[in-house]
Amino acid sequence: QQQVKQSPQSLIVQKGGISIINCAYENTAFDYFPWYQQFPGKGPALLIAIRPDVSEKKEGRFTISFNKSAKQFSLHIMDSQPGDSATYFCAALGGGGGNKLTFGTGTQLKVEL
Amino acid sequence: GAVVSQHPSRVICKSGTSVKIECRSLDFQATTMFWYRQFPKQSLMLMATSNEGSKATYEQGVEKDKFLINHASLTLSTLTVTSAHPEDSSFYICSALGGGNEKLFFGSGTQLSVL
Repeated sequence: QQQVKQSPQSLIVQKGGISIINCAYENTAFDYFPWYQQFPGKGPALLIAIRPDVSEKKEGRFTISFNKSAKQFSLHIMDSQPGDSATYFCAALGGGGGNKLTFGTGTQLKVEL
Repeated sequence: GAVVSQHPSRVICKSGTSVKIECRSLDFQATTMFWYRQFPKQSLMLMATSNEGSKATYEQGVEKDKFLINHASLTLSTLTVTSAHPEDSSFYICSALGGGNEKLFFGSGTQLSVL
């Protein structure tokens, strides 16, 4: 019940295209859903986050879409750039786990010229 | 934004030695810090939760006597890998709770290589 499933495992997008990464969860008590970006050899960095009372949140080129009834949320990267090439992790907080984040399995994004 | 400093970024040691990794919250007080382990192309695996002034809480399967965690102040937690072996080689990452207790800020990670 504490799992967060993430797909795809890897993604190749052309420069200027839209990158879409999906996550699904089981525990309805999760109440905070962040996305992290990680470059090789670095720690994850918080990208954007959403609460379940909002269906969409946009920050610059990054948008989270949240479907509470389906228990799914996704990250959209608009106008993808080569500098966006990284590993992206969705996560969920709450649900009886206290302050412990439950991470998705990660998506390796490569943006090609 | 909040900054978490982790040191060293890379360490190579001989089998049987101990290695200490430091994690500092630079501009906020962190009553709770977390330690993760990450293998190549895999997700982060939570090892333990570190609370200031109390014993760390370890996740199932993590040896507390091998991975010693100390959280002596509100801005510093340390992870000591004792009697390191090659299988302990991994990327270790710390994080700290700040900004209203739901924002988790990560350190830059430590790549440990045990020869």
